[in-house]
Amino acid sequence: EVQLVESGGGLVQPGGSLRLSCEASGFTFSEYWMSWVRQAPGKAPEWVANIYRDGSEEYYADSVKGRFTISRDNGNNVVYLQMNSLRAEDTATYYCARLWGELLHYFDYWGQGTLVSVSS
Amino acid sequence: DIQLTQSPSSLSASVGDRVTITCRASQTIVKYLNWYQQRPGKAPKLLIYGATSLHSAVPSRFRGSGSGTEFTLTISSLQFEDFATYYCQQSSRVPYSFGQGTNVEIK
Repeated sequence: EVQLVESGGGLVQPGGSLRLSCEASGFTFSEYWMSWVRQAPGKAPEWVANIYRDGSEEYYADSVKGRFTISRDNGNNVVYLQMNSLRAEDTATYYCARLWGELLHYFDYWGQGTLVSVSS
Repeated sequence: DIQLTQSPSSLSASVGDRVTITCRASQTIVKYLNWYQQRPGKAPKLLIYGATSLHSAVPSRFRGSGSGTEFTLTISSLQFEDFATYYCQQSSRVPYSFGQGTNVEIK
């Protein structure tokens, strides 16, 4: 059974940093793209970042480019999101998602999410 | 960037009703369109990928159609557990984008 478990969310002041983690199990982690998707309260989901199987490619939404960094540890089946220079508009539930990346791309499994609140 | 517009934004329906949700893209996305269901307080769940393919364990009452810029999600006979918010999402190119959602409520 595919499982994705996020952690690391919390309350942080504007300008602060936070690192989210997502532990994966139930599949061969190194064979899949992984993504982070966030959802502000009452809003639609927003794609944040993708990382290739071996970590050699990364893609970011313009809203986080230069502030957030996605990375992965294939030895421990973990994907990370390092978030710096946080702003109030980054407040959201952050989901880790497995990205099917063969011809068609879609988020086939999601974690339960971790809440990030940016406020003074 | 590609914008997705869903209609309607919300609808009220009864158990057993046929429900149709439309998603329009601002430019052609061929068949790179996915549909997700989200219940309150839960993560989105994949229903349909590639515009028409049913994800594993998704009931056959869900059907996706369309190509190019116009797509449809149809629920043939609404069940109680289908009352939720539905989102379309394009994966034609980065940045991936989602529609604003359609909330399906109980009439």
